[in-house]
Amino acid sequence: DTGVSQNPRHKITKRGQNVTFRCDPISEHNRLYWYRQTLGQGPEFLTYFQNEAQLEKSRLLSDRFSAERPKGSFSTLEIQRTEQGDSAMYLCASSAPRLSSYEQYFGPGTRLTVT
Amino acid sequence: KQEVTQIPAALSVPEGENLVLNCSFTDSAIYNLQWFRQDPGKGLTSLLLIQSSQREQTSGRLNASLDKSSGRSTLYIAASQPGDSATYLCAVMYTGANSKLTFGKGITLSVRP
Repeated sequence: DTGVSQNPRHKITKRGQNVTFRCDPISEHNRLYWYRQTLGQGPEFLTYFQNEAQLEKSRLLSDRFSAERPKGSFSTLEIQRTEQGDSAMYLCASSAPRLSSYEQYFGPGTRLTVT
Repeated sequence: KQEVTQIPAALSVPEGENLVLNCSFTDSAIYNLQWFRQDPGKGLTSLLLIQSSQREQTSGRLNASLDKSSGRSTLYIAASQPGDSATYLCAVMYTGANSKLTFGKGITLSVRP
């Protein structure tokens, strides 16, 4: 069990470019979550998957954001036409309700800076 | 609106002091509550999880309590050390929330040697 991993750890991009982040959950965790955290704030929920199904999306997730979890393993979060307001830490978490009562385990995050 | 509040935003204490971090939530219909630690620029480390049916959980020098009726949780840190310096976040999983967490803004703790 190597924990939740996220790549890249840091991403600097110019406004208008597209970016994609990857999250690899703990093996056997069937739930995967994406959160966004800005400076001085707690993480805010974006979306979550149970296996390969995306079951909920926050209103924070505009049409420029899309997330996938093919085959119920890793997940990707893509942001199209990035804006400066997208600059934040993007956190991924996973859980296995059957094993650990929905306890969520977080990855190290991807810090996005849009210039 | 289901919210989580942590006050104060920052706290500075001398090494060795026992301290209590507070968390309040607006809706008593919770499934569980988690306390996390976050070091600057890093991800979140889970410290303790309390189920709604439990009153407290302990891990080493940490003890977390839960009082659903008053909408409060506390994280007690015994004999604080400089290595405890970090931001501590409280997160609530409300019932029917599809297991998503609602976070407070965190308390930034500084333990002075």
